[in-house]
Amino acid sequence: DTGVSQNPRHKITKRGQNVTFRCDPISEHNRLYWYRQTLGQGPEFLTYFQNEAQLEKSRLLSDRFSAERPKGSFSTLEIQRTEQGDSAMYLCASSLRPGLNNEQFFGPGTRLTVL
Amino acid sequence: GIQVEQSPPDLILQEGANSTLRCNFSDSVNNLQWFHQNPWGQLINLFYIPSGTKQNGRLSATTVATERYSLLYISSSQTTDSGVYFCAVTVGGSQGNLIFGKGTKLSVKP
Repeated sequence: DTGVSQNPRHKITKRGQNVTFRCDPISEHNRLYWYRQTLGQGPEFLTYFQNEAQLEKSRLLSDRFSAERPKGSFSTLEIQRTEQGDSAMYLCASSLRPGLNNEQFFGPGTRLTVL
Repeated sequence: GIQVEQSPPDLILQEGANSTLRCNFSDSVNNLQWFHQNPWGQLINLFYIPSGTKQNGRLSATTVATERYSLLYISSSQTTDSGVYFCAVTVGGSQGNLIFGKGTKLSVKP
């Protein structure tokens, strides 16, 4: 399977705990995006990497959120001190380098439930 | 910022019927994509269509960029077409992040 993969698919945690999600993009794609989707809404942009550089962060990304893409391949999204409002589907997408078709392809998502 | 509005919000069809979903956007866009989100949450790419018309089987899409809208046509609908259809755009000056509409929830009854 050469699509975008995400792990874990589901995560249940207690309020105040830290969680980390992983995204593996399509291998030749050097752009990687994180989005968050709550019930009944479309996905909302969180942050974006080009290779290993984090180039943009949304205002939605509070200080409790941090994302990395250390070698320009997979990426991790960490949420510290989780709150019930963090419960959502976290989606990762990847696309080819800029200047070309920037069609984004999404992974299956990680569904987070904070109790 | 740009507004992306989809209509109708909900649509119920009998199997075999045709439908048209609409996406209006309030500013010029660089790119436009249509997705189908299945019941498990996976976003499936339908079309990458910043302008023009494309067809793929029973689905087709048209984007008229100068008039700031896109249409998704579904013909001979099947129960497996059920789910939420999203339109998403990118705008000039951004890093290419997609801005999504709220989606159209389609239910196809047997």
